[in-house]
Amino acid sequence: AQKVTQAQTEISVVEKEDVTLDCVYETRDTTYYLFWYKQPPSGELVFLIRRNSFDEQNEISGRYSWNFQKSTSSFNFTITASQVVDSAVYFCVAYSSNTGKLIFGQGTTLQVKP
Amino acid sequence: DGGITQSPKYLFRKEGQNVTLSCEQNLNHDAMYWYRQDPGQGLRLIYYSQIVNDFQKGDIAEGYSVSREKKESFPLTVTSAQKNPTAFYLCASSTYGTGPSGELFFGEGSRLTVL
Repeated sequence: AQKVTQAQTEISVVEKEDVTLDCVYETRDTTYYLFWYKQPPSGELVFLIRRNSFDEQNEISGRYSWNFQKSTSSFNFTITASQVVDSAVYFCVAYSSNTGKLIFGQGTTLQVKP
Repeated sequence: DGGITQSPKYLFRKEGQNVTLSCEQNLNHDAMYWYRQDPGQGLRLIYYSQIVNDFQKGDIAEGYSVSREKKESFPLTVTSAQKNPTAFYLCASSTYGTGPSGELFFGEGSRLTVL
């Protein structure tokens, strides 16, 4: 069965701290895609990154970085030097090429305090 | 600006009433989706449509209905048959399917409360 687990329900940090959001996925597909979305208080989800199952190269985009490890079925997201504007709910999502559907994790609420 | 517009943002309904949530996109996307979000849970797919005049049930379609008469519009009706309709509803769109492209564009959501 397809499943995405975000074990951290809520995280609270002080501004400028680094924070890592964990994501573990389960899939039997050989081809799949993983995503991270950010949901700010305004409500809409904003796409952050997509990774396919054949590309384990880590990626850095500004203060954001992602660590994809197939050996541990994890796709963790790190924010360096967090800012108050990073406060949001973050979703890890998996796409199954077999079912054609997205599987959402439960989300991690990140609160960055000034 | 291109994007997805959902309305109303907040909606209150009495039990037994049907309500329709609007979703309009000007991104020229083929596929559109409706998701439901409950506190502490991920998004669950209600209905999706990959082309005009065609739509498919998602994982929790019972008590909901949709139409796709125009490419730009994908309204969702929450019927009185939906036993627990109080939730946050999100509309999204993408280029065909969610395969290689994958990126979904979301509206700001509609919060429905049943009184």
